[in-house]
Amino acid sequence: DAGVTQSPTHLIKTRGQQVTLRCSPKSGHDTVSWYQQALGQGPQFIFQYYEEEERQRGNFPDRFSGHQFPNYSSELNVNALLLGDSALYLCASSLVISGRAAIEQFFGPGTRLTVL
Amino acid sequence: QQQVKQSPQSLIVQKGGISIINCAYENTAFDYFPWYQQFPGKGPALLIAIRPDVSEKKEGRFTISFNKSAKQFSLHIMDSQPGDSATYFCAANPAGGTSYGKLTFGQGTILTVHP
Repeated sequence: DAGVTQSPTHLIKTRGQQVTLRCSPKSGHDTVSWYQQALGQGPQFIFQYYEEEERQRGNFPDRFSGHQFPNYSSELNVNALLLGDSALYLCASSLVISGRAAIEQFFGPGTRLTVL
Repeated sequence: QQQVKQSPQSLIVQKGGISIINCAYENTAFDYFPWYQQFPGKGPALLIAIRPDVSEKKEGRFTISFNKSAKQFSLHIMDSQPGDSATYFCAANPAGGTSYGKLTFGQGTILTVHP
């Protein structure tokens, strides 16, 4: 049973560039959430996707956008990269039951983004 | 605004000892409190979780104690082992509606267990 997978593992970009990160949820899961984890900090919620729509969003600017595909995989896009965007980006998947996202979230290994 | 405060930032324990990590929250709408373990280069992995209708939950060497009136909860790791050395995060999830699944994490505790 494949867990949550993310690609790429590492990425180096320069300020002002755009980046796309990818996530495949755990088998059977239909909801994907994205988190940003700065060095030495806890993960911070960016947004969540279900049925190809953004369900809820954390306190992140519009430079952060996402997409969910019919196969439930998801992309995180960040435009106009800033130095402060350097972080580990985590994807978590869960399953909607009776209209609510299930409590238990399974995290992927993350993508380490470095902005120079 | 940090809604979940975690302490200590780091903890050193001898093998066989008890590791205790504490968290406090402000938002009374939280109704699910998981603990995650994260090793370097890996994503967080769910260890154990509790709901506010119980005061304690135990799974193997890991126990969560929950004090609803004080809005505090803690993780106890009994018989700590060097393999437990990792970063531990408490988290909280709001009840109901579209906010479900939006975890708020603490700052993390780096646990080191000496052999």
